[in-house]
Amino acid sequence: DADVTQTPRNRITKTGKRIMLECSQTKGHDRMYWYRQDPGLGLRLIYYSFDVKDINKGEISDGYSVSRQAQAKFSLSLESAIPNQTALYFCATSDFSFETQYFGPGTRLLVL
Amino acid sequence: KQEVTQIPAALSVPEGENLVLNCSFTDSAIYNLQWFRQDPGKGLTSLLLIQSSQREQTSGRLNASLDKSSGRSTLYIAASQPGDSATYLCAVRPGRDDKIIFGKGTRLHILP
Repeated sequence: DADVTQTPRNRITKTGKRIMLECSQTKGHDRMYWYRQDPGLGLRLIYYSFDVKDINKGEISDGYSVSRQAQAKFSLSLESAIPNQTALYFCATSDFSFETQYFGPGTRLLVL
Repeated sequence: KQEVTQIPAALSVPEGENLVLNCSFTDSAIYNLQWFRQDPGKGLTSLLLIQSSQREQTSGRLNASLDKSSGRSTLYIAASQPGDSATYLCAVRPGRDDKIIFGKGTRLHILP
């Protein structure tokens, strides 16, 4: 089984809809991250969490919210989706040593 | 503000050739630098991590070097194979408690 899983893997939604992307990890890491990837813009950090009680904004948090339900689960919500949120979304984890990050397979989101 | 640049954005080379991918960063004070591989539509996989005190790391046919004073890192791939075709991303961690900053990647295509 994969260490970092994301659901759904693909999602098509309409403008104005609320959508939640979920991430689960079995690595036992405290730190979890949400990124989005756009062609030509690279990976940009949306939110990150260093433990269950810690939530921090990244560089592009507007229009997004997160929930850290447990050490192993970190969800990303789009309260009212808009077309420019169409992107590939990645969840990642790291341990306390910050040595590296482990990425999930990604969720491809299309907002019509 | 730390910025990470990878040039070229895309590269095609014949199978069997040795090749070098380049990464530059604007602030030489870094904690570590990583090279990731991303296959189309997939998540990122860490290839090599170089601590700030190290000059290079090797894994199989891959060798990554780090020159902090000049703000440069290279990823050397020996005897390239079609399976090496992917996007390679360079990422810098400015400080131990800082978030990773990614370059936009070099898309590599190995021609059979």
